[in-house]
Amino acid sequence: GDSVTQMEGPVTLSEEAFLTINCTYTATGYPSLFWYVQYPGEGLQLLLKATKADDKGSNKGFEATYRKETTSFHLEKGSVQVSDSAVYFCALSDGGSGSRLTFGEGTQLTVNP
Amino acid sequence: DTGVSQNPRHKITKRGQNVTFRCDPISEHNRLYWYRQTLGQGPEFLTYFQNEAQLEKSRLLSDRFSAERPKGSFSTLEIQRTEQGDSAMYLCASSLDGGGTEAFFGQGTRLTVV
Repeated sequence: GDSVTQMEGPVTLSEEAFLTINCTYTATGYPSLFWYVQYPGEGLQLLLKATKADDKGSNKGFEATYRKETTSFHLEKGSVQVSDSAVYFCALSDGGSGSRLTFGEGTQLTVNP
Repeated sequence: DTGVSQNPRHKITKRGQNVTFRCDPISEHNRLYWYRQTLGQGPEFLTYFQNEAQLEKSRLLSDRFSAERPKGSFSTLEIQRTEQGDSAMYLCASSLDGGGTEAFFGQGTRLTVV
């Protein structure tokens, strides 16, 4: 079945540091890929998405590129802020089963001033 | 419309009791999903509705769990004879038809079974 694997966390960075959170997936066919973010006390929010190979999703300074050859969708940001502290989830949707999402285990990011 | 709404936000119940949660999706969304999230894990799919029809149920959804979406609007998730292992955050999400479309999540209902 489909699965998503994220890098082990938690991740602690200083403000303005470079961020990478690794995500790899296993799926049949051609899934859509997503990054969701969960801020403390809030619901999951879509951060960015990519629906086909080589697409780059971007939002709020975050980027991720759909790499079919390496089955990866790593999240990057050039300069993190304290306000980026949250839990980040990589997810895929295979388009079948009503486009339900399969999530990774999440990565807790803490950014210190 | 302020997004997906879930009630209650927190529920503490004794083992063996029944509980029911409600989800009000974004009004024009025809798809509605239920997920369960335990501490330190990502959400796991439970079931989804297309309008009022329940089209898929995960193997995680034991026969103590039942979900409904009458008239294709709000949905309820009932857990009968709760067990301590049912303690989790129950998330509802809604979306429009089509692959790759964004699912909007509610803030969840945190269930604690004591």
